[in-house]
Parts: sequence; structure tokens; C-alpha cells
Amino acid sequence: GQQLNQSPQSMFIQEGEDVSMNCTSSSIFNTWLWYKQDPGEGPVLLIALYKAGELTSNGRLTAQFGITRKDSFLNISASIPSDVGIYFCAGQNPPDSWGKFQFGAGTQVVVTP
Amino acid sequence: DAGITQSPRHKVTETGTPVTLRCHQTENHRYMYWYRQDPGHGLRLIHYSYGVKDTDKGEVSDGYSVSRSKTEDFLLTLESATSSQTSVYFCAISQDYSYEQYFGPGTRLTVT
Repeated sequence: GQQLNQSPQSMFIQEGEDVSMNCTSSSIFNTWLWYKQDPGEGPVLLIALYKAGELTSNGRLTAQFGITRKDSFLNISASIPSDVGIYFCAGQNPPDSWGKFQFGAGTQVVVTP
Repeated sequence: DAGITQSPRHKVTETGTPVTLRCHQTENHRYMYWYRQDPGHGLRLIHYSYGVKDTDKGEVSDGYSVSRSKTEDFLLTLESATSSQTSVYFCAISQDYSYEQYFGPGTRLTVT
């Protein structure tokens, strides 16, 4: 199945640094979701976006729905050790993919003290 | 946290045996999904349900069947498990098809 292009694949950052990652698609989406997954656990929803240009924050996390509707960005400010994990984007484009989200391959974030 | 449980959490089974995984939700959400997660492939949709007794196939449905006799339960069955079905299986729920999905804790299945 088609996946979103998520980059970077991995990031090694120092505590306190800001993190940016993005997802791009060849299709126009009307919903973007961002998740974080810790080892051995299920993905946890961080932010949901429903409008082009929308900018939404959740604590130190900020995500944006790209104006073209083909991309989305996630930023983490002032990273802390518990930010370690894999971050996934997911997008949906009804009616072509009614009820079905496409998922990115994930960005592995490693935070060093 | 969304009220989603999966059982069992871990299972080891032999090739050719039937396996059923259960997803249970307490949120009364209409939509339920089964995904598998494998290295290099990310999350892939197996089957989903948009109501009691209403199900449809995802992108990797071969070898899997599902049933939903109650709003709160969604079962995934491997009729005859194969080694290629070794994976981590996640259940997800959502209020509507375009709304955010919430995931369960996962079931790690190993087929030997």
C-alpha cells in the first residue's frame, strides 16, 4: 500500500533542542493526524488537523496542516528525554480512501542529555 | 486514554492453527479498525468496521477475517496462521471515518 513520505527517518538531538519533521503526499488530504509511539505500546494521538493552514499546539508540540493540503509538519520545542520515541503522521482523503488513513513510516527521535 | 483493550497481548502459535484476536472498546465509537505493524512497512490496514455486522477490507486483508456482533467488540481471525502473519496487531477506534483514531496497546503474535 501507498505510504506517506515522512522525513527524516531518524534524529539524534540534544536535550533542549527543537525538533522538526514533516510528511508529504502526492494526494490532497483533508485530515492529518500525528502520533507518538513508545516501545511495546500503541500509538498515542498527539494532534489532529482538519483545515488547510491550520496550526495547532499541544504543550511543546505544534503541528501545521500545509496550505497545499499535501503536507504537514510537526515541531517539538525544547526537547526533553521523554520525547524519545517514534512519531507517525497519518492522512486521509475521502471519498477516495473513505475510512482509511495512510501512515508514514515514522521518525525515530533520540534525545541525548 | 481511550478505553480500548486487546487480548491476548502476546501469543505464540504454530503454522496452520487458527487464531482469534479480540478488541474491546468502552467508548461506543462506531468505527473500529485492525492494523498490523511490521518493520519497514509501518501501519497497514487489514479490515475495518463501520457498524455492527458492517465490515470492509483494507490493503492487506488476505488470510484474515473479521466479525463485529456488538458495538464494543471487533474480532480478527487468522483461519490458518502462517509465518508471514507474525506481526504486532493494533486495534483502533474512531467516532467517524474522518475523525482521529485511537489505538489499543497491541497484540504481539508470533507464528512458528
